[in-house]
Amino acid sequence: GEDVEQSLFLSVREGDSSVINCTYTDSSSTYLYWYKQEPGAGLQLLTYIFSNMDMKQDQRLTVLLNKKDKHLSLRIADTQTGDSAIYFCAESTGGYQKVTFGIGTKLQVIP
Amino acid sequence: GAGVSQTPSNKVTEKGKYVELRCDPISGHTALYWYRQSLGQGPEFLIYFQGTGAADDSGLPNDRFFAVRPEGSVSTLKIQRTERGDSAVYLCASSAGTGHGYTFGSGTRLTVV
Repeated sequence: GEDVEQSLFLSVREGDSSVINCTYTDSSSTYLYWYKQEPGAGLQLLTYIFSNMDMKQDQRLTVLLNKKDKHLSLRIADTQTGDSAIYFCAESTGGYQKVTFGIGTKLQVIP
Repeated sequence: GAGVSQTPSNKVTEKGKYVELRCDPISGHTALYWYRQSLGQGPEFLIYFQGTGAADDSGLPNDRFFAVRPEGSVSTLKIQRTERGDSAVYLCASSAGTGHGYTFGSGTRLTVV
């Protein structure tokens, strides 16, 4: 079955890089996603990577995928206080994109 | 519309009552999803619509939960005989298709007292 695991909490200083890690179990995952959720708000799609890629960069965000180990990471360069939020790792299989989410990692940025 | 709209944003109801939650997806998005998010958890899949039909309702917890999308646009999630355990944020999302990810609404916070 599908299972996505991530650590619950990460604290970094403003200006440092943040790395949020995730593992998943379904080897047939086709897309892997990172969503951001700010307090009281819905989920915002940050970035996604197709399973045949191993890296994707988008401005301050870098996604690394190790398909062999089923490990996904999100690196945020030059972390800002506005990056404080909960970050959800998610994966989808199948043609219609039913997405399975992890429990979320709360990122705290210390000024 | 520009985004996914969910109404109401908050709903407080008494145990045993019936509630309806509405989702208005992005215009032209054929795929629509309902998720439920409990405090401190990630979103949990409930049901997926492709057009008017429910393509996958395997996440609905029991027969008190039902959803419709009669014209392939707006969807309504219906919960009968609400229980305190139904309290959560109900999220709706729509998608333009495979690989595009979801666009989520802000959710409806349901509180059953």
